[in-house]
Amino acid sequence: EVQLVQSGVEVKKPGESLRISCKGSGYSFTSYWINWVRQMPGKGLDWMGRIDPADSYTNYSPSFQGHVTISIDKSISTAYLQWSSLKASDTAMYYCARRYCSGGRCQLDYWGQGTLVTVSS
Amino acid sequence: DIQMTQSPSSLSASVGDRVTITCRASQSISNYLNWYQQKAGKAPNLLIYAASSLQSGVPSRFSGSGSGTDFTLTISSLQPEDFAAYFCQQSYSTPRTFGQGTKVDIK
Repeated sequence: EVQLVQSGVEVKKPGESLRISCKGSGYSFTSYWINWVRQMPGKGLDWMGRIDPADSYTNYSPSFQGHVTISIDKSISTAYLQWSSLKASDTAMYYCARRYCSGGRCQLDYWGQGTLVTVSS
Repeated sequence: DIQMTQSPSSLSASVGDRVTITCRASQSISNYLNWYQQKAGKAPNLLIYAASSLQSGVPSRFSGSGSGTDFTLTISSLQPEDFAAYFCQQSYSTPRTFGQGTKVDIK
């Protein structure tokens, strides 16, 4: 069974650093890109970026480029989303999702359960 | 960036109703369009990919259509478990933008 299991709830102060994780199992982890998606409270879905676990190649949305870092440790089938200096506006639920492609078309077919990040002084 | 615009933003419907949600892209995206359902407090779930292909395990009352800039998600007979938010997403180019969502609630 394909599963993406994310790390738990985080409560941080502005300016602090944070790394959240997403562990894949039940499939060949290096064969499918991992995407990160933000959902601010009561709002829609924002695509943040993605990483190829095979070679750590990344794509970021311009809205998030330079503010977050996506990385991978393929030895433990885990992807990470990292901030060096959090802002209150980073308060949100963060989802990882697996990208599946067929016939040249790609979609996010499995999602993690989400990690709630709260940033408050 | 490609902008995705959904309509309506919300709708109220009854069990058994036929529901249609539209998604418009700011430029042609062929059929690089996916639909997701999100229930309250849960992660999104893939319903339709490549504009009209039903994801495995998704009930056949869900269908998608469209190509180019205009797309539709249809629920042929709304069931109690279908009250949720629905999002379209383009997979034509990065950044992979989502529509703002359509919330379907009980009339």
